[in-house]
Amino acid sequence: AQKVTQAQTEISVVEKEDVTLDCVYETRDTTYYLFWYKQPPSGELVFLIRRNSFDEQNEISGRYSWNFQKSTSSFNFTITASQVVDSAVYFCALRPMNRDDKIIFGKGTRLHILP
Amino acid sequence: KAGVTQTPRYLIKTRGQQVTLSCSPISGHRSVSWYQQTPGQGLQFLFEYFSETQRNKGNFPGRFSGRQFSNSRSEMNVSTLELGDSALYLCASSLGSGSYEQYFGPGTRLTVT
Repeated sequence: AQKVTQAQTEISVVEKEDVTLDCVYETRDTTYYLFWYKQPPSGELVFLIRRNSFDEQNEISGRYSWNFQKSTSSFNFTITASQVVDSAVYFCALRPMNRDDKIIFGKGTRLHILP
Repeated sequence: KAGVTQTPRYLIKTRGQQVTLSCSPISGHRSVSWYQQTPGQGLQFLFEYFSETQRNKGNFPGRFSGRQFSNSRSEMNVSTLELGDSALYLCASSLGSGSYEQYFGPGTRLTVT
């Protein structure tokens, strides 16, 4: 079975603090894609990153970084020096690479950045 | 480039009625997926269309159906509405199926009374 778990339902941090959002997944597939999406209060999901299962290099994009560890089936997302505009719900998602199957989203983590 | 558009943005319907939601993907995108988002169940996949063919379907009853037209625009239909169908319905488009990142529309907020 495929499953994405985001154990942190809600997190609050003070502006400028670093925060890590956890994502743990389960899949029987050996090749797959992992995604992160952001849903700000406006409601529209915004694509942040896609990672292939065979590429375990960490990625940094500005204040955002992602740590993919296949050994622990985790794909964690860190925001450095958080800002109020980072307040949103963040979703982690999983999709098989070599077969036609649907994307599975985690339940999301609601992040509050307090001024 | 215009983003994904969904119409209507808000809708109020009565139990037993049916509803049709529309989604226009980004120009050049051939894949459209639909999702239902509720506070309790989170984001749940409904179906995916690629070049007018349904590629995948989520675990929803047959009351939920969809289609895609030759211009890639898509519609989803819910018949015999139930109170539990109240949700935000999101449409996402992508260049192709599978690996491509999806671009989401603003959603249609459906309230069933």
